[in-house]
Amino acid sequence: KQEVTQIPAALSVPEGENLVLNCSFTDSAIYNLQWFRQDPGKGLTSLLLIQSSQREQTSGRLNASLDKSSGRSTLYIAASQPGDSATYLCAVKAGTASKLTFGTGTRLQVTL
Amino acid sequence: SAVISQKPSRDICQRGTSLTIQCQVDSQVTMMFWYRQQPGQSLTLIATANQGSEATYESGFVIDKFPISRPNLTFSTLTVSNMSPEDSSIYLCSVEEGARHEQYFGPGTRLTVT
Repeated sequence: KQEVTQIPAALSVPEGENLVLNCSFTDSAIYNLQWFRQDPGKGLTSLLLIQSSQREQTSGRLNASLDKSSGRSTLYIAASQPGDSATYLCAVKAGTASKLTFGTGTRLQVTL
Repeated sequence: SAVISQKPSRDICQRGTSLTIQCQVDSQVTMMFWYRQQPGQSLTLIATANQGSEATYESGFVIDKFPISRPNLTFSTLTVSNMSPEDSSIYLCSVEEGARHEQYFGPGTRLTVT
C-alpha cells in the first residue's frame, strides 16, 4: 500500500527566503506526482505535475523535482512571499486508472 | 484546465438530515472523484463517479451513506445521508483531464453537522 509523507508538517520563514518542501513515497512504481496548494477552508490548486519519466518541472518561482528510485520529490519555492502562505500537498498516482494518494501536507507561513 | 464549481459552498445541518452537494465542470470529463477532508487531515477518496455506470466506492464508504449520481459528463452529485457530527468535513469534487491525467479540484463544500 502506497504511503506518502511530507516533512516538515509546518514551516515558518521570513519573506524573501528560498525554501524546500519534501515529499516521500514508499512505492516507487508511480505514474505521476502532483503538487497542490490549499488555502484554509478552500479547494486545491494544482501547482505542478511531474510524469514518472521526468526529473523536474518549473513554473515561475516553483520548481519540483522527482527522484523515483529513492521515492522522493521536493518543491522548491524561490524568494518566498506572504501570499505563498498555505498548505502544500503532494499526491502520487500509481497508474493511469489509479487514484491519487495524498501526503499529509506541509503548512507554510511566510512572515513579513 | 477544467473549471469546477460546487454548490453549496458551505452549510450547517442538523443531525439525521441529508445534504446533496453539486459539482459542475465546464468541459466534458470521463472521470470525476469525490473526496472528504476532515478537520486537520489530508484528503480521503470517497468514490469515483463515471458517467453511465455505478460509482466505485473506497473501503469504508458505502452507497447508502454517500449516494452519488453522474447523469452526464459535466455534472455529479454527492449526498451525505443521515448525517452525524462525524460527517463534518470539507467535501471536494475533482476531475481528471488530459494525456497526463492531471487532477483539478473544485472549491469544496464545508459541511458542519450539529
